[in-house]
Amino acid sequence: RKEVEQDPGPFNVPEGATVAFNCTYSNSASQSFFWYRQDCRKEPKLLMSVYSSGNEDGRFTAQLNRASQYISLLIRDSKLSDSATYLCVARGDSNYQLIWGAGTKLIIKP
Amino acid sequence: NAGVTQTPKFRILKIGQSMTLQCTQDMNHNYMYWYRQDPGMGLKLIYYSVGAGITDKGEVPNGYNVSRSTTEDFPLRLELAAPSQTSVYFCASSSPGDREGSPLHFGNGTRLTVT
Repeated sequence: RKEVEQDPGPFNVPEGATVAFNCTYSNSASQSFFWYRQDCRKEPKLLMSVYSSGNEDGRFTAQLNRASQYISLLIRDSKLSDSATYLCVARGDSNYQLIWGAGTKLIIKP
Repeated sequence: NAGVTQTPKFRILKIGQSMTLQCTQDMNHNYMYWYRQDPGMGLKLIYYSVGAGITDKGEVPNGYNVSRSTTEDFPLRLELAAPSQTSVYFCASSSPGDREGSPLHFGNGTRLTVT
């Protein structure tokens, strides 16, 4: 089992819809998590940090379920500009250890 | 602040050549990282550093070397370039933060092709 697993997608979603995807992690000691978005041929950029049960920022909501060891990302009222790959990251046993998922590709269609 | 700066942006190498990918950050971050990302794949950690003078191997260190003589700079060296090293290379940095840690800041990447 991979340490951080994501459905690679692609998720094809019409503009304006709500989309959610999950990320599962294997290290129960992980204390913090991050969602990054990565546009094609660009560097990853931080979308949200998840330190406790969840976080919300505008149309984006991240939730952490420690019992089941997954975090989710919900995008409401999706925009064409939300098309990207979304990377899930779990912090490991030390602050400098980061475990990356392979990403979920999201395509928003007009 | 410039953040994390990587140079060059693009490079084509012949097999067996060597080069250094430069990375510098102006955020006084202790932690620095080098990742590679192959097309359609996730990030793989090559080397990391938790402070000046301290470096350690990541998942895929073979064929690479690093040094960390200052807090700001973390160059990545390829000694004998091979086609398998064709990839996009990202440098990143972070601070230790609190108990929960802080996120990574990435440079714009270096696209390397070895032919």
